[in-house]
Amino acid sequence: EVQLVESGGGSVQPGGSLKISCAGTGFNFSSYWMYWVRQAPGKGLAGVARMNSDGSSRSYADSVKGRFTISRDNAKNTLYLQMNSLRAEDTAVYFCASHPPGQLVLYWGQGTLVTVSS
Amino acid sequence: NFMLTQPHSVSESPGKTVTISCTGSRGSIASNYVQWYQQRPGSAPTTVIYEDYLRPSGVPDRFSGSIDSSSNSATLTISGLKTEDEADYYCQTYDSNNHDVFGTGTKVTVL
Repeated sequence: EVQLVESGGGSVQPGGSLKISCAGTGFNFSSYWMYWVRQAPGKGLAGVARMNSDGSSRSYADSVKGRFTISRDNAKNTLYLQMNSLRAEDTAVYFCASHPPGQLVLYWGQGTLVTVSS
Repeated sequence: NFMLTQPHSVSESPGKTVTISCTGSRGSIASNYVQWYQQRPGSAPTTVIYEDYLRPSGVPDRFSGSIDSSSNSATLTISGLKTEDEADYYCQTYDSNNHDVFGTGTKVTVL
């Protein structure tokens, strides 16, 4: 069974940085595409970033490009999101998600809350 | 920017059928696969339809997906509505730059 567990969320001041993680178990982590999707309070889902299995292809939403970096450590079965220059509008629950090669069925984690406030 | 528009809410009685549309702002929604996600209150999303009409293991066949190129829309149909189907539903696809695009979301209420 695919399991994804996010960690590292918390409160940070505007302009600050935070790195969140997602540990994957129950599947061949190194072969899966990995995603970060966020949901602001009371709002809908929004894609943040995604990465292919070996990390050679990354894509970012325009709203986070140049500020956020997605990365993965396949030896540790862990996905990361480094968030710099954080803004109030980045406040959201951040979900980690994954899909196997050749099949666009997303498996989701439970999310971690990031709050940007002074 | 490419957008996916969904009705804000739909409601129906148990045992009935609801349909949720997902309309692309331009181009052809049939160009890329469409996925549908269910999000119950206070929970993470789960996938109910992927690649336009496929169901993940464990999703009942009451859930079905389709594409209508003439209206540039995807549709999620839930038949035999149950109280447990009360949730928010989001469609998702990719734009011409291969970025993820999520729909605006639809709240399904079971009367």
